[in-house]
Amino acid sequence: GENVEQHPSTLSVQEGDSAVIKCTYSDSASNYFPWYKQELGKRPQLIIDIRSNVGEKKDQRIAVTLNKTAKHFSLHITETQPEDSAVYFCAPKSTGNTPLVFGKGTRLSVIA
Amino acid sequence: DAGITQSPRYKITETGRQVTLMCHQTWSHSYMFWYRQDLGHGLRLIYYSAAADITDKGEVPDGYVVSRSKTENFPLTLESATRSQTSVYFCASSERLGLEGNEQFFGPGTRLTVL
Repeated sequence: GENVEQHPSTLSVQEGDSAVIKCTYSDSASNYFPWYKQELGKRPQLIIDIRSNVGEKKDQRIAVTLNKTAKHFSLHITETQPEDSAVYFCAPKSTGNTPLVFGKGTRLSVIA
Repeated sequence: DAGITQSPRYKITETGRQVTLMCHQTWSHSYMFWYRQDLGHGLRLIYYSAAADITDKGEVPDGYVVSRSKTENFPLTLESATRSQTSVYFCASSERLGLEGNEQFFGPGTRLTVL
């Protein structure tokens, strides 16, 4: 099965700085790479995703980049704001009807 | 978000008791999932279901039972609760598990404490 690791497990940044979270996976057949955000006391929600035929995708201040050769993908948040403080989960997915495999999460704290 | 609900939101029970957590979705999504969330472990899949009467084990199925007699409901039962099952439980649903339509929508969670 898929082996997923996220780094770092915790990250503190000053407001306005950038944050990068990396997710490595083991299954070379994985073809879908989402990131979920969970604010304190709330449910996880999808914020951005990418498919294996695309190297990068941006949505305003967030972006996801994919390196299929090295089997990792990263979440980039620019101009961080206090509302970006949350736990972020990657959840790569292999081909076929296999479920997402969530990483253990990265707790991001944005300090005002 | 109101399309997927969980009940109860909070539950305290004792070791050995049977507990059922309910999950209901109004989107007619084919797939439904149960996760547990514990500090340091992220979201771990317990069971999932592709359709009514079709269920599959996830990463941590031991001690749990699921059923899916109707598309919209996916109850999770702890037949004899143990303290190690103290956790926050999330239900989720998605249209598909393929390359498209696989965004998972999560319920609000149930915080279960086993004394």
